[in-house]
Formats: sequence, C-alpha cells, structure tokens
Amino acid sequence: DQQVKQNSPSLSVQEGRISILNCDYTNSMFDYFLWYKKYPAEGPTFLISISSIKDKNEDGRFTVFLNKSAKHLSLHIVPSQPGDSAVYFCAVRNTGKLIFGQGTTLQVKP
Amino acid sequence: EPEVTQTPSHQVTQMGQEVILHCVPISNHLYFYWYRQILGQKVEFLVSFYNNEISEKSEIFDDQFSVERPDGSNFTLKIRSTKLEDSAMYFCASRVGLAVDTQYFGPGTRLTVL
Repeated sequence: DQQVKQNSPSLSVQEGRISILNCDYTNSMFDYFLWYKKYPAEGPTFLISISSIKDKNEDGRFTVFLNKSAKHLSLHIVPSQPGDSAVYFCAVRNTGKLIFGQGTTLQVKP
Repeated sequence: EPEVTQTPSHQVTQMGQEVILHCVPISNHLYFYWYRQILGQKVEFLVSFYNNEISEKSEIFDDQFSVERPDGSNFTLKIRSTKLEDSAMYFCASRVGLAVDTQYFGPGTRLTVL
C-alpha cells in the first residue's frame, strides 16, 4: 500500500537555511493533506494542512505547497532551526481516516 | 492547550493475554481514532469511532480488537489475545468534527508482547 510516499528517508540542512520535505500521493480524489512532526517517544504533532482547493498555505516559518496535477506536496521550513529536527510525516485524508507516508527524518545542524 | 492523553505509556504483556489501552480525547471532540506504528514502519489506521459506534476499520482490526467509550471521557482499545506481532506504538487521536479535519494525537502507548 503505497498511496502516500515520502521518498527521502532523511534530510540534513544547516541552521538558517530552507528545509524542503516532499510527498507524493497516488489518488487524485484525495482532498485534504496534512503535515505532522514527531519526536521520539511522542505522538505526531499537527503542523499545517491544506485543502485541495488551495495550492499554498502558510503558517509562520512553515509553508505547504500542493501541486494537484503532479499529485505532489511539499513542506518548506524557513529558516530552519535545530529544534525542527524530528521526523516529518505527510498524511492524506481518505474517508475520515489518515493515510501516512513513511516519514522523513530532518536534522538541522547548528 | 487541551491535549489527548494516553495511559499507560508502556505496557508489557505475555502472548495470549488481554490488554486494554486507555485514551482521554480532547473534551469537545466527537471523532476518535486508533492508529499504530510498528517499529520502522508507517503509522497505520486501525479504527474510527463516532456517535458510539465504529465508523470505519482497517483489515488489521480483526475480531481480536475492540473499542469502547465507557463514559463521557475515556476511549479504550482492547486486544483480546495478544500476539507477538501486536508489539507496536498505539496512538489515539481525536477530531472535533463538523468541518474541521485535523486529527490531534496522543503521546502513544508502547505495547510489548513477549
């Protein structure tokens, strides 16, 4: 079941630079997309979401971009901070439940 | 800020034993969920619950699993006869409902089946 894919298992960036995390999905009927951040031994924490009627949503340092034709979404973090180091999951809503990607581990180096 | 809480944080059990995982969703939320994450794998959906009944369940959620909302605040997941492969992090989530789609997750219960 690969309906949601995060092809990069890890990403390392320098503090202050931009982090770009990517996610691809297979079903064009998906209409609501979310990003969660997860620290070890904690539950996923909601970061930002976007509905399919938009192509961009911004909240502080976090921006999510949605490209429906490519079935692709991305999360931009600018500027990246060491506290952003965590696992980032994209998720899509499907009949109420969430389908998650495998996650990307982001490391922000001071 | 209101949050989803889960107890215990870690549960160790013997294969074949019953376990009950506890969750207290955010108080004004109407939709409740259980997910699990086996070590090294994706977070995967188990079951959703609304208006005192299951609204959707995955193929993982077989007859060994059940959910209950015994009172106005708790939401439980019971595994009747645990198997080794049930070892995972179990996350409870809740959603306020109506037009709000965001699910908020608890910290998880680590279940270890020996």
